Parts: sequence; C-alpha cells; structure tokens
Amino acid sequence: KNQVEQSPQSLIILEGKNCTLQCNYTVSPFSNLRWYKQDTGRGPVSLTIMTFSENTKSNGRYTATLDADTKQSSLHITASQLSDSASYICVVILGNQFYFGTGTSLTVIP
Amino acid sequence: GAVVSQHPSRVICKSGTSVKIECRSLDFQATTMFWYRQFPKQSLMLMATSNEGSKATYEQGVEKDKFLINHASLTLSTLTVTSAHPEDSSFYICSARPETSGREQYFGPGTRLTVT
Repeated sequence: KNQVEQSPQSLIILEGKNCTLQCNYTVSPFSNLRWYKQDTGRGPVSLTIMTFSENTKSNGRYTATLDADTKQSSLHITASQLSDSASYICVVILGNQFYFGTGTSLTVIP
Repeated sequence: GAVVSQHPSRVICKSGTSVKIECRSLDFQATTMFWYRQFPKQSLMLMATSNEGSKATYEQGVEKDKFLINHASLTLSTLTVTSAHPEDSSFYICSARPETSGREQYFGPGTRLTVT
C-alpha cells in the first residue's frame, strides 16, 4: 500500500530556531516528491520539488533532502519566523497520482 | 501564473439545503480538476476527479449523488453538496491540472463549509 507518513504530528518552536520535519514513504518508484506549506484556512502552496535523483533542494530558508535508499525526506527550516506557523505536507507523486502525507503542524512562538 | 480561485471562501448553510462551490483556473486551461476534503488536523483526501466534458470519477466511499461535480468548461468546475448535513462541514479544496502538463496540480485557497 502506498503510504506517506510524517513526523512529528505537531511541533512548537521559538522564533529564530531551526527545525526539521520528517517524511517516510512507501510509494516507489515515484516521479517527484514535494513539500507544501498550508496556512490555516488556505490551500497548499508548493515549497520544494525534488525528482527521484535529487538529494537536496532549497527555497530560501527551506531546505528539503531526499534519501531514496531509505525512502525518507526531510524539510529543514532555518531561522524560523512567526509566519512559518502552518501545516507542512509531504506529497509523493507517482505518475498522475498524488499521495499526501499526514502533515506536521508547526507553531512558531515569540 | 497558475492561479486557482475558489468561491465562496466561507459558507454557512442550514441542514438539508444545497450549496455550490466554484473552482476556477484563472490563467490557464485545465482539462482535469480535483476536489479534496480536509477535516481538522488531517491531510487532504481526494473526493473526485473531474474531466472537462465528462462525468467525474469518485473515490471509494464518496457519494456521487450527494457531491455533484460539473466541469462544464476548461476553466470552471463546480461541487454541489446536496442535502447538506452537519457532518459535511469541512474544508473543501480544489486543484487544477493544466492541459499542457501531465501531472502538475495547482491548488485553490479552499472553501470552509459549515452546516448548521
């Protein structure tokens, strides 16, 4: 069964600190893996897109890594800001099918 | 580019009534649109896939007679929740796939439905 699981389920960090979110998947092979940010009451917005052969992709303070051998991806957020408070969703794409992770709810406090 | 809008952003309706949600691709044509439902603290769950000019394909467990989907043009798909019940209260998100892209999806901002 194709699954995408994320951890932790929720996370609270102080403003300015770094954090890392994890994504484990069983979908294989896949065309690309994406991380999305979803603000409360809004639709998901793409942060990073990685193909099977890529190991890392950065977008400003967001850096995603991919280990295809262990089927794991992580999203590292550097120098967190209050506006980073949101849900972060890992999505693995196989063909035309999107497999959504369970999401991590991040709260950044001052 | 690749903007998807939804209308309304929030709607409150009484139990037993029907409500229509619109999804529009503003700057591209979408042969395929997707409708998702998201309950609090859960991820998106695909409800149905609609292709322009043909009947929608519903995921298992989704009642097609309750959630009517119409994809009448390359830029508009509508989801009508018929005879709404409080348990239909949820966040509904659509996405659109450009006709020029085989697997891309651009998500709308979502519609919060509350059934009283």
